[in-house]
Amino acid sequence: KAGVTQTPRYLIKTRGQQVTLSCSPISGHRSVSWYQQTPGQGLQFLFEYFSETQRNKGNFPGRFSGRQFSNSRSEMNVSTLELGDSALYLCASSRVAGATYEQYFGPGTRLTVT
Amino acid sequence: DQQVKQNSPSLSVQEGRISILNCDYTNSMFDYFLWYKKYPAEGPTFLISISSIKDKNEDGRFTVFLNKSAKHLSLHIVPSQPGDSAVYFCAASAPFGTASKLTFGTGTRLQVTL
Repeated sequence: KAGVTQTPRYLIKTRGQQVTLSCSPISGHRSVSWYQQTPGQGLQFLFEYFSETQRNKGNFPGRFSGRQFSNSRSEMNVSTLELGDSALYLCASSRVAGATYEQYFGPGTRLTVT
Repeated sequence: DQQVKQNSPSLSVQEGRISILNCDYTNSMFDYFLWYKKYPAEGPTFLISISSIKDKNEDGRFTVFLNKSAKHLSLHIVPSQPGDSAVYFCAASAPFGTASKLTFGTGTRLQVTL
């Protein structure tokens, strides 16, 4: 079974620009979450989408937004990029199966803001 | 407020011996606990999870133990192999409806020596 895929894998943008990252979850998984990973802050939850609706949101400014499509694919958008937005952005898809909960991560998109 | 803590930043274990990675949490409402393995510049790899209604879950060489009264969980890897060398994160998920919002510990670097 294919894993979580993310595109692009690497991006270089300049301050003030905007960027869109894409994520395809594991087939059958309806929940997609986004995380930001930085050396200083570790892994931090951005938001989660389930059945095209944002179900949870972390403590990030409104410049960070996302959406989910009917096929469960998700996009994340960051507007007015700042230097501090340079990070590894990870997407994860998850499912609950009885007493088991599994959340699988994609390889990430490395965003560098210059 | 660090709700999930991994107090040992690093651990060194000889090949073939048992590796025990520990994690403490403060929020008794966490529903599921997950363990991940991570290499630099890659997304976390899901290893094993446990529901808060259980005290043990086993999958191959990996066993997770949960002690709810102590708010403590541990991951046992037996036998340890050199390929297990990586950073290990524990994560906790909030109750139903917010389960996908994982809170991560700061990680423990495991080194398996020959």
